[in-house]
Amino acid sequence: DADVTQTPRNRITKTGKRIMLECSQTKGHDRMYWYRQDPGLGLRLIYYSFDVKDINKGEISDGYSVSRQAQAKFSLSLESAIPNQTALYFCATSDQGAEGYTFGSGTRLTVV
Amino acid sequence: AQRVTQPEKLLSVFKGAPVELKCNYSYSGSPELFWYVQYSRQRLQLLLRHISRESIKGFTADLNKGETSFHLKKPFAQEEDSAMYYCALTGSNYKLTFGKGTLLTVNP
Repeated sequence: DADVTQTPRNRITKTGKRIMLECSQTKGHDRMYWYRQDPGLGLRLIYYSFDVKDINKGEISDGYSVSRQAQAKFSLSLESAIPNQTALYFCATSDQGAEGYTFGSGTRLTVV
Repeated sequence: AQRVTQPEKLLSVFKGAPVELKCNYSYSGSPELFWYVQYSRQRLQLLLRHISRESIKGFTADLNKGETSFHLKKPFAQEEDSAMYYCALTGSNYKLTFGKGTLLTVNP
């Protein structure tokens, strides 16, 4: 079983629709992150959470919101999707050390 | 602020040739540096981190604090090394900042 699981793997949605991307982990890590990947731009941090009661904006949080339902679950929502939110979204987890991150397989989101 | 620069978007080499993927960083404190690899349509995987000084799949990277660099090297490239490579940095807050990536293509 994957350590970090993202659902759905692929999603096509219409402009203006609300959509939620989900992430769950079995690593037991406190820290969870949402990134988006765009060609030529690398990975950019959207939101991160260091524990269940801690939510922080990343560098590109506008148009997104998150919910940390439990230590193992961290959801990303697009309240009203727009075409420039078309991207590959990755969830990641880490412990409190400098061990690096564990990434999910990604969700490919297309907004039409 | 922390920043990672990968000056090459694309790098193409022939099988058996040496390869070096460049990474420079900017950070005022003591950073932790990482290399991640993403094979086609797969998740990002940690390739190596400077603190462990490992050699993974023949790749090595040395942290040069004077030049603020963490270049990734391999003496003999293989076709299966073709992938996207990301250099990343984390500071005291353990947030990872990524470079924009270098797409390595190893030609037969």
